[in-house]
Amino acid sequence: GAVVSQHPSWVICKSGTSVKIECRSLDFQATTMFWYRQFPKQSLMLMATSNEGSKATYEQGVEKDKFLINHASLTLSTLTVTSAHPEDSSFYICSAHRDGVEQYFGPGTRLTVT
Amino acid sequence: AQTVTQSQPEMSVQEAETVTLSCTYDTSESDYYLFWYKQPPSRQMILVIRQEAYKQQNATENRFSVNFQKAAKSFSLKISDSQLGDAAMYFCAYRSDFQGGSEKLVFGKGTKLTVNP
Repeated sequence: GAVVSQHPSWVICKSGTSVKIECRSLDFQATTMFWYRQFPKQSLMLMATSNEGSKATYEQGVEKDKFLINHASLTLSTLTVTSAHPEDSSFYICSAHRDGVEQYFGPGTRLTVT
Repeated sequence: AQTVTQSQPEMSVQEAETVTLSCTYDTSESDYYLFWYKQPPSRQMILVIRQEAYKQQNATENRFSVNFQKAAKSFSLKISDSQLGDAAMYFCAYRSDFQGGSEKLVFGKGTKLTVNP
């Protein structure tokens, strides 16, 4: 149990376009979902915390208008990178939290902006 | 704000030997959780072990054990009988446990573990 999926696993987009990444909890309802960004050989950087039915809480320095997060249901959160630029290229990881302690991580999405 | 420090960017160990990864943290809270996560080349984050701060007994999971020193704010991970599959990045993480506290994890910068055959 406690499986989290992400789609797509790898996406390439052109500069200026938008791309949407989905995070789903497959076998449980997630009260909270988190979005992280990870640069090569670096740690995970929390971007935002997402609660179902409410606005996401963004970490300091994260552009809300650029990284749109929607938590439409207890099993789905989406991250949309708007007007993507090459510097947005990174590995994006989501995690889901249900009642309890652990966060369950998705497999990540590699975004390449050309 | 809480911080987590992993002072060893890289470590190496011979297969079947034992290795210890260090982690220190800073917090003013008394109730919290500590975790070790493994991130292999696939980049899937895998929970290795978890420790509740109120528990004095060190957590163990098969070949993995921790040395939790609450007063010293130290949380090291010992891997016994190292296997080639243990090669990965290891991240130490902190999570608050007080009512109304944040559920978010605070990660250290990670330690890259190499296992030599």
